[in-house]
Amino acid sequence: AQSVTQLGSHVSVSEGALVLLRCNYSSSVPPYLFWYVQYPNQGLQLLLKYTTGATLVKGINGFEAEFKKSETSFHLTKPSAHMSDAAEYFCAVAGTASKLTFGTGTRLQVTL
Amino acid sequence: DTGVSQNPRHKITKRGQNVTFRCDPISEHNRLYWYRQTLGQGPEFLTYFQNEAQLEKSRLLSDRFSAERPKGSFSTLEIQRTEQGDSAMYLCASSSRTERTEAFFGQGTRLTVV
Repeated sequence: AQSVTQLGSHVSVSEGALVLLRCNYSSSVPPYLFWYVQYPNQGLQLLLKYTTGATLVKGINGFEAEFKKSETSFHLTKPSAHMSDAAEYFCAVAGTASKLTFGTGTRLQVTL
Repeated sequence: DTGVSQNPRHKITKRGQNVTFRCDPISEHNRLYWYRQTLGQGPEFLTYFQNEAQLEKSRLLSDRFSAERPKGSFSTLEIQRTEQGDSAMYLCASSSRTERTEAFFGQGTRLTVV
């Protein structure tokens, strides 16, 4: 079975500041992990994914995430926040047949 | 390739009515998924198809819900006798046969039951 915990339902950062969104997972098999972003009244867009290999993965819009097996974590970071980054972010783990189990999401607010 | 397409984008219906949503997946994808997302929550898995076969249904999918994927192309999700608790965003996604690969999502259908 798989599960995902996202710590912090709301995160607020200033424009230009570091973004850190936390994700911890539980998986009965080697995890395949994803971060998706959702803008209001829109579907989900894939930001990045970890399957195997390099533990630091880079995604779109300057985001990256590091897979840490010992900590069962897959935190999402971006060095400098932009106003356009304001959205809901979901961490997910893939089970059999690519079914996804999502966390409850983190709403990112970016202030001037 | 235009991505995953869902129609309608919004649906308002009276309690007790039936509604049907359509999803057109990415053409070369043989797996299709339905998820439901309620306010402030992450999407929850409802059901998935591999080609035309419905291979798994979540216990969230009550007997008022039915999904089809005739000929392994588009899919429909029907809700009979809608209840206010059915109000949610219904998301469709598709993926290739590769195991545990990423899924690509449509824009969703927002259902409001009044």
